[in-house]
Amino acid sequence: DQQVKQNSPSLSVQEGRISILNCDYTNSMFDYFLWYKKYPAEGPTFLISISSIKDKNEDGRFTVFLNKSAKHLSLHIVPSQPGDSAVYFCAARNYNTDKLIFGTGTRLQVFP
Amino acid sequence: DAGVIQSPRHEVTEMGQEVTLRCKPISGHDYLFWYRQTMMRGLELLIYFNNNVPIDDSGMPEDRFSAKMPNASFSTLKIQPSEPRDSAVYFCASSFLQGANYGYTFGSGTRLTVV
Repeated sequence: DQQVKQNSPSLSVQEGRISILNCDYTNSMFDYFLWYKKYPAEGPTFLISISSIKDKNEDGRFTVFLNKSAKHLSLHIVPSQPGDSAVYFCAARNYNTDKLIFGTGTRLQVFP
Repeated sequence: DAGVIQSPRHEVTEMGQEVTLRCKPISGHDYLFWYRQTMMRGLELLIYFNNNVPIDDSGMPEDRFSAKMPNASFSTLKIQPSEPRDSAVYFCASSFLQGANYGYTFGSGTRLTVV
């Protein structure tokens, strides 16, 4: 049972445009949501997070939006750069178990 | 700090052999996690420790998998006997407190291939 779902395995965006990565979840016990970025042959690195009591968090070119009623979050990257090309994982923390549950990832390719 | 250090980076072994993956967490981090990455399931949590004590091992696939943390600076994940379906990238991560708003720090992973 996949509690955190990233339904788009890949996304291709032109440099300078907006990249929107989506994530859906099913468990109401998640209190924090995070995005991780992973380059080939490296471990995932923490990018940005949002508390369930907020609906938006911004950090430079990266903004995460949370829609609790729809159990949906998204990561916006504006403007997209070739260096943003990586696999992006959505993750959610269960406040009961303290576990961080990851999605399957979305591969973003930013082309010139 | 050198970050979370995993060894080996790559491991190729024959079915039935024992495999041991190693992890050195960041000094001062009191949580350590073992994850496995596959195409179908993404990053799956296998087990995690708090202050060297295993807290939740419900993600460990079966009895062939075991993990230990004998001290604050070292952990192992062992597979005995290994099977081809165990082929994946195994990540170790550590964090200070639960780190939900800080995130976990991951190692570079061990790519395991069982033939």
